[in-house]
This record gives sequence, structure tokens and C-alpha cells, in this order.
Amino acid sequence: QKEVEQNSGPLSVPEGAIASLNCTYSDRGSQSFFWYRQYSGKSPELIMSIYSNGDKEDGRFTAQLNKASQYVSLLIRDSQPSDSATYLCAVTGGTSYDKVIFGPGTSLSVIP
Amino acid sequence: NAGVTQTPKFRILKIGQSMTLQCTQDMNHNYMYWYRQDPGMGLKLIYYSVGAGITDKGEVPNGYNVSRSTTEDFPLRLELAAPSQTSVYFCASSYLAGTGRPEAFFGQGTRLTVV
Repeated sequence: QKEVEQNSGPLSVPEGAIASLNCTYSDRGSQSFFWYRQYSGKSPELIMSIYSNGDKEDGRFTAQLNKASQYVSLLIRDSQPSDSATYLCAVTGGTSYDKVIFGPGTSLSVIP
Repeated sequence: NAGVTQTPKFRILKIGQSMTLQCTQDMNHNYMYWYRQDPGMGLKLIYYSVGAGITDKGEVPNGYNVSRSTTEDFPLRLELAAPSQTSVYFCASSYLAGTGRPEAFFGQGTRLTVV
């Protein structure tokens, strides 16, 4: 089982819709969870971090964490064409205490 | 504050040549990482370091070497370049997990082609 898995893409949503990106992780002791956005040909950039169960909102983005289910998600409301990118889930802590582990990424396309 | 700086941005190598990818960070981060990203794929960890003088292998270390003589610098050495090493290489750094800010910050990447 891979350490961090994400829903397979590509994911296409119409402009203005909600995009839902999912991530599961195998290490129950993981402590910190991140969502990165990567535009084609660019380096990943951090958009959300979450450390405790529940929801965390930042503008149009909401991260949701459920440690019991080992699940973290990212919701993008009112999706815009500029949101079209690959979204990477990353986890640290637990047995991976000393390194950041990334999932394979989910490609999102927002159709105007 | 420059963050994480990688050089060069682009490089073409011939099979069998060697080169060093440079990475430096000015955020006093403990942890540094090297990832490679093949087209359409996620990030694969090559090597990482938890501090000066300490390095460890990631998922795909074969064909690479690293050193960490200072907190700031974490060069990646490619020996005997092979076409399979054609990829985009990212250096990243982070604080120690548990310090409250363990997220990774990335350099701009090095696009390497081996022909």
C-alpha cells in the first residue's frame, strides 16, 4: 500500500462548481497534512495546511481532515479556470516523522 | 529572502557525463529534500537530510549522491548520467516536523535532459 494516495484524475469541473479532491494516507501516526498546487512546468506551492480534525477554510479553499478514517480532502468552491493545475497531497509525522511524503497528485481542469 | 534556490534551471547532459545540481536555502531549515518528477507523474523522493552531516535515501536513490556539509546547501550529484535520469528535479526544505511549520518550500526546479 502506498503511503499517500489520491483520487485518480484527471478531474474536470465546470466553472463555478465545487471541485473535490481526496487523499488517504497509511500511517495512522501522521500529524501534519498539506495541499500543494502545481501549475504545469512550475514548482509546487503550498495552498493549505491542516493539523487537527475538522475543517479549515481559507477563501475559496476548505481542507477537511478525519484522522480516524485517515482521510484528508480539499474542496474548491466557485472553481475558476485559473484553478486548473495538479494538486498534491503531502503528509508528515508518524513513522515518516523526518520527511514530507507526497501523493501522486490529481490533475484538475476547470472548464469555462 | 530568497527561499530555496536551485541552479542550473536547465541542463542537457550526454550519456555517461556527471554533474552537480546545486541547492541552497536561507531559511535556516533543518530538513532538505531532493525530488524528481517525470512528465505527468508525482514527486519521487531521491535523498533527504535532517541536518548538516546527515543524509538518507528516499524512494529512488540509485545513480545519485548527496552531501550536506552546511545547513544551507544540499547538492545532488549525478554520476554517469543515463537517459532514465531525464526529469525535472526539485529541491525543497522544511523545519523539523512538530515545530509548527513543517511544510516544504520548493525551489524553481532543474529541467535535466540526458541524450
